[in-house]
Amino acid sequence: DADVTQTPRNRITKTGKRIMLECSQTKGHDRMYWYRQDPGLGLRLIYYSFDVKDINKGEISDGYSVSRQAQAKFSLSLESAIPNQTALYFCATSDSTAGETTDTQYFGPGTRLTVL
Amino acid sequence: AQKVTQAQTEISVVEKEDVTLDCVYETRDTTYYLFWYKQPPSGELVFLIRRNSFDEQNEISGRYSWNFQKSTSSFNFTITASQVVDSAVYFCALSEPASYNTDKLIFGTGTRLQVFP
Repeated sequence: DADVTQTPRNRITKTGKRIMLECSQTKGHDRMYWYRQDPGLGLRLIYYSFDVKDINKGEISDGYSVSRQAQAKFSLSLESAIPNQTALYFCATSDSTAGETTDTQYFGPGTRLTVL
Repeated sequence: AQKVTQAQTEISVVEKEDVTLDCVYETRDTTYYLFWYKQPPSGELVFLIRRNSFDEQNEISGRYSWNFQKSTSSFNFTITASQVVDSAVYFCALSEPASYNTDKLIFGTGTRLQVFP
């Protein structure tokens, strides 16, 4: 089984709808991240969380919110989806207890979201 | 500000050719990490390598090798004897300064490699 899972894998929704993307991990990592990928722009950080009580905005947080329900679960919500939020969304995890000053991020399989 | 530049948007080669993907970074910090990820057509992101700023030794893993040169702020990736399965988008990424203790990454825009049979 995959260490980092994302649901759904694909979603088509309409403008104005609320949508939630979920991420779960079995790696035991404390840190989790949400990114979006757009063609030609690479990956950009939306939100990140260092533990259940810690949520931080990333580069492009406007229009998004997150919830860290447990160490293993980190969900991303679009309160009122708009077409320019059409993108590939990735969840990632890292382990701050691994003893390194910067730890490797491991990514989920991605969620392809289309907002019509 | 930190930045990663992958100037090659797309590269096409024929199988068995060697290919180098360029990555140039900007940072003012002395302690940082560099990464390469592979995104095959199936879409997932696969971690390839992590290198810290104090280790300039070249790394080789099978047909993959990485050349890290602090003097030119580059961390280039070479695939030797490319294969069709190497077709993917490859991302180079730079960590925030290690002193920030955030693990946050700044990604380049990626290089799409197409290997033709």
